[in-house]
Amino acid sequence: QLLESGGGWVQPGGSLRLSCVVSGLPLRSYAMGWVRQAPGKGLEWVASISKGGDTQYYADSVKGRFTISRDNSRNTLFVHMGSLRADDTAIYYCAKVCGYDCYYFDYWGRGAQVAVSA
Amino acid sequence: QPVLTQSSSASASLGSSVKLTCTLSRGHTGNTIAWHQQRPGEAPRYLMNIEGSGRFTRASEIPNRFSGSTSGADRYLTISNVQPEDAAEYYCETSDTETWVFGGGTKLTVL
Repeated sequence: QLLESGGGWVQPGGSLRLSCVVSGLPLRSYAMGWVRQAPGKGLEWVASISKGGDTQYYADSVKGRFTISRDNSRNTLFVHMGSLRADDTAIYYCAKVCGYDCYYFDYWGRGAQVAVSA
Repeated sequence: QPVLTQSSSASASLGSSVKLTCTLSRGHTGNTIAWHQQRPGEAPRYLMNIEGSGRFTRASEIPNRFSGSTSGADRYLTISNVQPEDAAEYYCETSDTETWVFGGGTKLTVL
């Protein structure tokens, strides 16, 4: 199970940190990612992180503003979102990457709502 | 990076079959893709992956009414004996190992 928390309302320019607690599987064995969905829109990949946390990948839309990280000892994935804009308003899902030598998402959390407005 | 193209909508009568298409961009036609289902108000749910060879693997809890296939750059999701609960948005997804990409989604209406 993947359970996100930390969502809420924030003003433009502000910051927020989302957490995703993973249970039922060893987080250290899988790469992980964040995917978001703006109201009425499709799915947009945000960021991914390697199993050990040493490599991070970002969508151009969030590069330099968001930081993905993980604490395998606490089975928790994070994303720190800074310099937030109105177009960052979305439901943010954490997702598990499939496993060895494969790269698609095969398990999703329930999502955390983030609203950015004045 | 790869681009995935999907039709925006599809419809199927109750009990019929429907085939949804996801097309990979040039240079990525051998990619494995994943299909995800998102019912209204719910989180996405992983359905299956489809390799360039045509081999597909369903998630364990997905009924065998859902199947996958390949033809060149196209990856198909076929739903047989369509049920009311199949009304949803369907997204395909792929990766080049450093970026992940989703198609725009196909909204399936069950008539």
